[in-house]
Amino acid sequence: QSALTQPPSASGSPGQSVTISCTGTSSDVGAYNYVSWYQQHPGKAPKLIIYEVDRRPSGVPDRLSASVSGNTASLTVSGLQPDDAADYYCSSYAGGNNYVIFGGGTKLTVL
Amino acid sequence: QVQLVQSGAEVKKPGASVKVSCKASGYTFRTYAIHWVRQAPGQSLEWMGWNNADNNYSKYSQKFQGRLTITRDTPATTAYMELSSLRSEDTAVYYCARGRYDDSTSFDFWGQGTLVTVSS
Repeated sequence: QSALTQPPSASGSPGQSVTISCTGTSSDVGAYNYVSWYQQHPGKAPKLIIYEVDRRPSGVPDRLSASVSGNTASLTVSGLQPDDAADYYCSSYAGGNNYVIFGGGTKLTVL
Repeated sequence: QVQLVQSGAEVKKPGASVKVSCKASGYTFRTYAIHWVRQAPGQSLEWMGWNNADNNYSKYSQKFQGRLTITRDTPATTAYMELSSLRSEDTAVYYCARGRYDDSTSFDFWGQGTLVTVSS
């Protein structure tokens, strides 16, 4: 099972919105409502920010939203803040022995 | 509060094995799965395997079949990941993570990570 495809980088100015894509296949992203997104600051463990396509854990602001269309998942960060600068990873259930696959990660820069 | 505290950094020679522990607290350990995810330097996350809480069943990524063993000691609320036949490409930070519910594929709490360096 190949990794999910994410753009290596994205950027935006404070207050703007940015969308990060995550492309899989009809065997993973397109097959199940089990896409998650994680935020990782340098030297820190990943933090779950979206699960089951578009659901936010407690404490995650509604500036972060997500969706799936076909085989592509998207994460939108609205009202960009300096602390949003981080790496973002998508993941999906993939079935079989490769239970979970991750994307290559997107480095978000807040200009 | 939920916490996962991992053992310290390790340096191993090629061909050796490493065993990393993950001590859980703040929740009922026996009702949540524990997953292991690794991250090589400058690279993305890679799912390795998990231990199901319901029946203590472990499942591994095809990539690690035969080299990886994930176990749990429920009374000690500790999970373990052992990787054998280490090679330089196994140099990475290894994380344990809790599944949101027993067979969830979302990980809501993570350990701090354990750096494993494989070098001769």
